[in-house]
Amino acid sequence: GQQLNQSPQSMFIQEGEDVSMNCTSSSIFNTWLWYKQDPGEGPVLLIALYKAGELTSNGRLTAQFGITRKDSFLNISASIPSDVGIYFCAGQGAFSGGGADGLTFGKGTHLIIQP
Amino acid sequence: NAGVTQTPKFQVLKTGQSMTLQCAQDMNHEYMSWYRQDPGMGLRLIHYSVGAGITDQGEVPNGYNVSRSTTEDFPLRLLSAAPSQTSVYFCASRQRGLALNTQYFGPGTRLTVL
Repeated sequence: GQQLNQSPQSMFIQEGEDVSMNCTSSSIFNTWLWYKQDPGEGPVLLIALYKAGELTSNGRLTAQFGITRKDSFLNISASIPSDVGIYFCAGQGAFSGGGADGLTFGKGTHLIIQP
Repeated sequence: NAGVTQTPKFQVLKTGQSMTLQCAQDMNHEYMSWYRQDPGMGLRLIHYSVGAGITDQGEVPNGYNVSRSTTEDFPLRLLSAAPSQTSVYFCASRQRGLALNTQYFGPGTRLTVL
């Protein structure tokens, strides 16, 4: 099946720093989604991208849908303590046949903010 | 409007026991899915349903059964629990025909099988 490579696996940063993470795939995707998961909670959608080249912002978060449709990145500017959590990318494949949504998830980027 | 609810929040089972994880949504969503999340892994699809009476297998269906007798409920059954099923289970739902950004996840059920 389709696989997503999400990196980095974890990040240790200082409060106020900018953060960048990305997902790549060998397959083309029609949609990219970025989720955040807080401890003990389910994933919450941050940004959805529907067109190649699309750049979308949500507050301090910015995400882009790669031109090749095989990658996406998420940037967080001026990180704050509440940004701590696990960030997941998810893609809906061009030829997805499995699942109600045909979503494939990355393994997550664990963001840790050091005081 | 409670969104997607899951019960129980935590559960400990012994190997071989059976149990049902409950999932309900009050948004009249047609699509519902069950995922499992293991340490260092993304979410993997177990089973899904595109409407009442319709279910299908996802990526990791073995050891799990589902049914969808109503639009609101989508229970996940473990017939004979195994330690490999220790995981966090998430239910999700969304309305067919709308964009993926309308999908909602429940808070999860943390299952330990001894």
